[in-house]
Amino acid sequence: DAGVIQSPRHEVTEMGQEVTLRCKPISGHNSLFWYRQTMMRGLELLIYFNNNVPIDDSGMPEDRFSAKMPNASFSTLKIQPSEPRDSAVYFCASSFGLVETQYFGPGTRLLVL
Amino acid sequence: DAKTTQPPSMDCAEGRAANLPCNHSTISGNEYVYWYRQIHSQGPQYIIHGLKNNETNEMASLIITEDRKSSTLILPHATLRDTAVYYCIVRVNTDKLIFGTGTRLQVFP
Repeated sequence: DAGVIQSPRHEVTEMGQEVTLRCKPISGHNSLFWYRQTMMRGLELLIYFNNNVPIDDSGMPEDRFSAKMPNASFSTLKIQPSEPRDSAVYFCASSFGLVETQYFGPGTRLLVL
Repeated sequence: DAKTTQPPSMDCAEGRAANLPCNHSTISGNEYVYWYRQIHSQGPQYIIHGLKNNETNEMASLIITEDRKSSTLILPHATLRDTAVYYCIVRVNTDKLIFGTGTRLQVFP
């Protein structure tokens, strides 16, 4: 099993640009989670999906952030426009059901200049 | 808010048992204790979880006190690759994982 796949692994962009982060969950998992990690705030849950439907987006910082899950094998997290304070490591995780163990991807390191 | 208290850092000699404590004095009856770890620059990794009874798997053992107000994660023979930040999390099974600041375990030769 390839595990959770995230792309790109590193992203450097300029303030104001659109950023799209991608995640492929483990095959057969029906729950997907997006987290953000910074030194200041630690690891925060942004949004999670169950069966491709967003369940809780209360962690999304503001309207500049949006997430979609068009099918069971793909999700995107988009930031538009990006700001320097969005610089962080973004992790995607998946699980077989909301109550089951979450498996994390390697993360995307985002730097907004 | 994280519902757990962990020491910020610990050291352990390679080959010895690493015992990582966690206080969760406000835990409710239907909340589980989960442990994850994060090795530098990687995503968090699930280790073990339990409700009341002690649990053991190939990675670690989890000892939960009878009153459930604290627990200990035991890595029986720590290796250098166990150097990581260890997170103790309490959650109802249907709830979110909320990560605190964890314990930074340094295993030394």
